[in-house]
Amino acid sequence: GAGVSQSPSNKVTEKGKDVELRCDPISGHTALYWYRQSLGQGLEFLIYFQGNSAPDKSGLPSDRFSAERTGGSVSTLTIQRTQQEDSAVYLCASSKRTSGGAETQYFGPGTRLLVL
Amino acid sequence: GDSVTQMEGPVTLSEEAFLTINCTYTATGYPSLFWYVQYPGEGLQLLLKATKADDKGSNKGFEATYRKETTSFHLEKGSVQVSDSAVYFCALSGRAGNMLTFGGGTRLMVKP
Repeated sequence: GAGVSQSPSNKVTEKGKDVELRCDPISGHTALYWYRQSLGQGLEFLIYFQGNSAPDKSGLPSDRFSAERTGGSVSTLTIQRTQQEDSAVYLCASSKRTSGGAETQYFGPGTRLLVL
Repeated sequence: GDSVTQMEGPVTLSEEAFLTINCTYTATGYPSLFWYVQYPGEGLQLLLKATKADDKGSNKGFEATYRKETTSFHLEKGSVQVSDSAVYFCALSGRAGNMLTFGGGTRLMVKP
């Protein structure tokens, strides 16, 4: 079936505006992950979902960042009052489950966010 | 906490040369280890993985062996091709939830 999809592919916004990034995981995958890829910080974990719940939000950089998942499928990452340091590529990944340690995560193409 | 260190790039090789990209890790317990690859203009994709000590992951001519005694997972290929030009990321999964901890990435450039 289809892979992980993300929208928009590119987003340019002004400092202080809110943005929403969307992720559609592979059908049937119960685990969903958000990562951020930036020049200064490399690839860093933000948050993950098992079903609709988020057991680990430790990677969210600040309280301006939030995420939700509904119906065990689509997830939205929201950044409020964007700052220039939020500019990065936001990656979503999904896997069949979160247990076992060896599950392959399948990544989407990412959303490239630029905050002016 | 968990961490992954990999050699900085770029690594520039001629076609058919031997490739090694070093990766070492720090983790509690027994993590699973991965190599992901990002081709130009494309998303991250799994290249290979290993889940326990002495396991060897292999794919597309690439290999890496899980060495617990040296906490390493070096990526090797005997003869690289121009099409192997990409950024390679070493990663581990060891915490509850299986989130990945990535190394900084190594850009490989293969010249004809």
